[in-house]
Formats: sequence, structure tokens, C-alpha cells
Amino acid sequence: AQSVTQLGSHVSVSEGALVLLRCNYSSSVPPYLFWYVQYPNQGLQLLLKYTSAATLVKGINGFEAEFKKSETSFHLTKPSAHMSDAAEYFCAVSRSGSARQLTFGSGTQLTVLP
Amino acid sequence: GAGVSQSPSNKVTEKGKDVELRCDPISGHTALYWYRQSLGQGLEFLIYFQGNSAPDKSGLPSDRFSAERTGGSVSTLTIQRTQQEDSAVYLCASSGAGGNQPQHFGDGTRLSIL
Repeated sequence: AQSVTQLGSHVSVSEGALVLLRCNYSSSVPPYLFWYVQYPNQGLQLLLKYTSAATLVKGINGFEAEFKKSETSFHLTKPSAHMSDAAEYFCAVSRSGSARQLTFGSGTQLTVLP
Repeated sequence: GAGVSQSPSNKVTEKGKDVELRCDPISGHTALYWYRQSLGQGLEFLIYFQGNSAPDKSGLPSDRFSAERTGGSVSTLTIQRTQQEDSAVYLCASSGAGGNQPQHFGDGTRLSIL
């Protein structure tokens, strides 16, 4: 079985400050890991993905994430928050092989303060 | 290019009625997924279609839920005898072949059961 834990259901940062959203996973086999962002009344948009190539993954809108196997973590960071980053962020894991459905974390709502 | 299209965007119906939700995946994507997003349960996997293989129905919550995919393209999720706990946003996603391919999501159908 696989699961995803996102620490902090709500995170607030000031505009220009570092964004750090935490994600830990458990998986019995090497996983594929994803971060998605959801704006109000919209679907999920892919930010970035880890698929066993480079451990530091760069995504859209200045976000990046680092896969750390020893810590079973895949935290999302952005050096400088922008007002437009306010949204809900989901970490997700899928297995290789036939079972490719995503297992999602519970989400982190990011608020950016002016 | 065109993304995943879902219709209707909103559906309000009375308890006990049947509803059909439609998903048009990205052209050429062989995999199609349905998820449900609700306040209490977060994002849950429902069903997965891959090419001509038998669908993975392991996430369907009851036998009132069913889905089909015609011609390897459009999919319909049907909920029979709707209950109030079926109220949620139903999200469809599609992806290319290969477990490392990211899933692309539609904007969802917001279902409200009165």
C-alpha cells in the first residue's frame, strides 16, 4: 500500500518569502511522485514530477522539489512567493506497473500575505 | 491544444435520481481516470481505463457507481439512485501510456444532491 502525508493543511507566507510545502510518502516500491496545484473552481494542474531521473526536479512557475529517499520526502519549494501562488497544493504518488492511479495527500492551502 | 473536457460543469439533482457525467480526454491519451473530491474525503480514485484492458474498478464506492469508455475515447460515469453523500466534485484525468506519464485533469463536474 502507498500513502502520502502533507504536513500543514494551511501555510501562510509573506510575498517574497520562501515557500516550503512538505510531503512524505510511503511506498513498498520506488514511486513516481507529483505535485499538483488547484485554483478555485478548477481542476488540478501539474507543477512537476519525479520519475527516478534527477532527484532535484524543476517545475513551472519557479517551483522545485527534491526527492530524498532516506527521508521518504518530496518537499516543494519556491524561493520567493508571489500573490498568484495562493492556491491549494497536492502531493501525489503512483506506482510503476499496472496500478497507475494517483494517491493524493490531503492538500495544503497556501496563503500569500502582501 | 485541447485539454480534458468535462460536462456538465455543474449538476444539481434530487436524491434518488440517476446522473451521467461525461469526460472527453486529450486526443491520443490511452489512459483515463475518474476521481472524486469531497470535503470530508479529499481526492479519491474511482476507476481507471487503459486501452482495451478491463478497467480497474477498485475505487468505486458502491454498485450504484459505474463507468464506461466507448471507442477508447469518451467516458461516462453514471451514478444511480443518488444519495446526498454523493455530492462532490468529480474529476476526470487522462494520460499517455507509461507509468511515468503525468495525468492531465479536467475542471470537474460539481454534483449537488438535494
